[in-house]
Amino acid sequence: GNSVTQMEGPVTLSEEAFLTINCTYTATGYPSLFWYVQYPGEGLQLLLKATKADDKGSNKGFEATYRKETTSFHLEKGSVQVSDSAVYFCALSDGSEKLVFGKGTKLTVNP
Amino acid sequence: GAVVSQHPSRVICKSGTSVKIECRSLDFQATTMFWYRQFPKQSLMLMATSNEGSKATYEQGVEKDKFLINHASLTLSTLTVTSAHPEDSSFYICSARPIIGKETQYFGPGTRLLVL
Repeated sequence: GNSVTQMEGPVTLSEEAFLTINCTYTATGYPSLFWYVQYPGEGLQLLLKATKADDKGSNKGFEATYRKETTSFHLEKGSVQVSDSAVYFCALSDGSEKLVFGKGTKLTVNP
Repeated sequence: GAVVSQHPSRVICKSGTSVKIECRSLDFQATTMFWYRQFPKQSLMLMATSNEGSKATYEQGVEKDKFLINHASLTLSTLTVTSAHPEDSSFYICSARPIIGKETQYFGPGTRLLVL
């Protein structure tokens, strides 16, 4: 079945550091890939998505590129801020309405 | 923007009692709502898909008589954990998919259930 594996956390960085959170997936066909973010006390929010190979999703300085050859969708940001502290979830959809999530990675950014 | 609320945010109950959790889409209509369960340091696991006016579709391994879902209107779905036991303690999250813009799910903040 479909599955998502993402980097175990927690991740702690200093402000302005470079961020990478790894995500790989297993799926049949051509899934859509997503990154969701959950800020403390809030629901998950869609951060970015990509629907086909080589697509790059981007939002709020975050980027992720759909790499079919490596079945990966790594999240990156060049310079993190304290306000980026949250839990990040990688997810996929196989075209049905269902989402399959990774375990989540907690990011803490210190000033 | 699209907001989904859940009530209560936290509940503690005794073993054997039933607990109802509400999921509301506040500023949009949703024909489909989803219920997830999240254990500590684990993924969100889809429990069931709730469609307005029809029976919910449960994922494999989820007891439909244990987790009752009602989607009575386009803005409200409820999950009732019947005869709760300590192993039902978890974080329950709902999401709603709007009638317009069906690709996106909007998530509620979650409900923490502790069964003593």
